[in-house]
Amino acid sequence: GDSVTQMEGPVTLSEEAFLTINCTYTATGYPSLFWYVQYPGEGLQLLLKATKADDKGSNKGFEATYRKETTSFHLEKGSVQVSDSAVYFCALNSGGSNYKLTFGKGTLLTVNP
Amino acid sequence: GAGVSQSPSNKVTEKGKDVELRCDPISGHTALYWYRQSLGQGLEFLIYFQGNSAPDKSGLPSDRFSAERTGGSVSTLTIQRTQQEDSAVYLCASSLRKQGIYEQYFGPGTRLTVT
Repeated sequence: GDSVTQMEGPVTLSEEAFLTINCTYTATGYPSLFWYVQYPGEGLQLLLKATKADDKGSNKGFEATYRKETTSFHLEKGSVQVSDSAVYFCALNSGGSNYKLTFGKGTLLTVNP
Repeated sequence: GAGVSQSPSNKVTEKGKDVELRCDPISGHTALYWYRQSLGQGLEFLIYFQGNSAPDKSGLPSDRFSAERTGGSVSTLTIQRTQQEDSAVYLCASSLRKQGIYEQYFGPGTRLTVT
C-alpha cells in the first residue's frame, strides 16, 4: 500500500538558516504529492503541491520538487523565519477509488531568533 | 469565503458514552473526508463521501464508528461506546477536483478526550 516516510524531528534552526525536510514515498501509479503545515493551535493548511514528475511546488518561500526516480519530495526553504515554526506533513494522493491522503508522521520545526 | 468548520472544538466524554462530531464543508465541495490525528498513529484516513455515491468506509477502525452526510453537505461522525483509545483530534476535509487533483481543505478539528 501507499506510504510516506519523512525525517523525524524535532528540527531546531536559527533564523535565516537553510531548511530541508526529507520526504520519500511508496505508491502505486503516479501520485500527487503535497506538503501541509500545522501552525501551533491551528488546523492543517496546504503549503504546496506537485502533480507529476519534475514539477516544482512553491509557496511562501518553500519549494519541493517531485522526483520520480528517487520517489522523493523534499521540502526546502532558503532562509527560515521564527514564524515558520510549525509541524510539517508530507502527503500523497494516489487517486484510486477514494483520493484519500496518506500522510507522513510529521516533522516539528522550531526556529529560534 | 468560509472554510471548513467543525463542532465542537473540544469534547470531553466518559468511557462508554456516545459522541457526535459535526463537519460543515466548503460550499460546493462534492468530496468530504474524515481523518483522525493521534500521537501514536499520526494522521489516519477514516471515511470518504463523494456526491451521492456510497461512502468509502475502509478506514473506520471498528463498527463503533459511523458517519453520515446529509444532503451532500453537512456530515456527522458518530462514535458509540467510546473507549480511551478513541481520544484524538478528528479532522474533516472537503475538496473539489481542481486541475486534475482533489485538493483537500481541512477544518480546525475536534479534540476528543475520553476519560
